[in-house]
Amino acid sequence: QVQLQESGPGLVKPSETLSLTCTVSGGSISNHYWNWIRQPPGKGLEWIGYIYYSGSTNYNPSLKSRGTISLDTSKKQFSLKLTSVTAADTAVYYCARAPLVPASMVWFDPWGQGTLVTVSS
Amino acid sequence: QSVLTQPPSASGTPGQRFAISCSGSNSNIGRNTVNWYQQLPGTAPKLLIYSNNQRPSGVPDRFSGSKSGTSASLAISGLQSEDEADYYCAAWDDSLHGPVFGGGTKLTVL
Repeated sequence: QVQLQESGPGLVKPSETLSLTCTVSGGSISNHYWNWIRQPPGKGLEWIGYIYYSGSTNYNPSLKSRGTISLDTSKKQFSLKLTSVTAADTAVYYCARAPLVPASMVWFDPWGQGTLVTVSS
Repeated sequence: QSVLTQPPSASGTPGQRFAISCSGSNSNIGRNTVNWYQQLPGTAPKLLIYSNNQRPSGVPDRFSGSKSGTSASLAISGLQSEDEADYYCAAWDDSLHGPVFGGGTKLTVL
């Protein structure tokens, strides 16, 4: 059974870069889309972006090009970097897998447990 | 402001049949399939329904999904106290070129 686990600093200073890693265990990293999704405290879910195992990426336009997702197949990890963070980027960040289906159908399963990142000086 | 619209809160009593609505547009629900996620307090979201009405293995058949036009609905029959959670709908949006979520519905079982 595939499991995902996020890791990274829980506190980032404003204007700096947020960096998180998701480790995949119990399954292959091939033939899936690997996603980052975030949830500000007390609010709803926002999709950040995905990377396909071939390396192609797609990001939420609302991030205004601040986000980069990369993949290390040898370590079965994928990572998120978000530059120039502000307090608005404070959220629980989840990694999640999506199956290889047409984009019009994409769903997320499973999810990691999530990690809280606070942006504060 | 979420792209998909859900009622922010709802309540029901044990044993009741209950439905949560999700409204979108032709660029998302109208053209693409809808998925539903359940988020129990303090936990990560979990896939509840995919492709409008399909249940992943392990999800009780008390949960069902449907779609009509630019709206979708999650139904729960025989409401139980353990169903108290936040429920999110989601769909791909052709204009934004990515998946979008509803704002979530907090279900309270009285």
